[in-house]
Amino acid sequence: QQQVKQSPQSLIVQKGGISIINCAYENTAFDYFPWYQQFPGKGPALLIAIRPDVSEKKEGRFTISFNKSAKQFSLHIMDSQPGDSATYFCAASGDSGYALNFGKGTSLLVTP
Amino acid sequence: DSGVTQTPKHLITATGQRVTLRCSPRSGDLSVYWYQQSLDQGLQFLIQYYNGEERAKGNILERFSAQQFPDLHSELNLSSLELGDSALYFCASSVGREGGTGELFFGEGSRLTVL
Repeated sequence: QQQVKQSPQSLIVQKGGISIINCAYENTAFDYFPWYQQFPGKGPALLIAIRPDVSEKKEGRFTISFNKSAKQFSLHIMDSQPGDSATYFCAASGDSGYALNFGKGTSLLVTP
Repeated sequence: DSGVTQTPKHLITATGQRVTLRCSPRSGDLSVYWYQQSLDQGLQFLIQYYNGEERAKGNILERFSAQQFPDLHSELNLSSLELGDSALYFCASSVGREGGTGELFFGEGSRLTVL
């Protein structure tokens, strides 16, 4: 079963706009929440990650917001650029022995 | 370039056949992971090896097997192939064994097409 649910499946945003991708999880043992970015023909690459001891983490134009009580986290891309067009995967994992569980991905297209 | 090398990049074969996918991890990384990516299922974790030993197992079919060799490269063997096995297979590596809490470095994948 899918342990991490991601939405939307696809997203179109105009250049300069804000892209928002949401994820939800059920397993309360999860304590590591990364986002991976994948360009066509390439493997996923780590973009940004958060642990539940903070509610927000920002790196440049990318921000993760984390709501532990709701078991949800989201990626915000500010001032979206055409170069941000890619597939984004949220993921979650926990104690030793847990591998990264990925969401199904969101295909983001930023139009000029 | 992530430093993870996968071969072959593309593979076309017939149902019932067996194939082997190969992965060389980043220099110094002891863990290797295999993931299957399909359009409807996203990235599915198959199996992890750490320094030659199986560390964690995910949704890996019995027809699939993997191993990690003393030089740390890994092979994923897929047998009795079915049409539904067509997918992109990724290998990833990390330094430690707790792959769930550290950065994974992915290769560019091996695209398998079963006809």
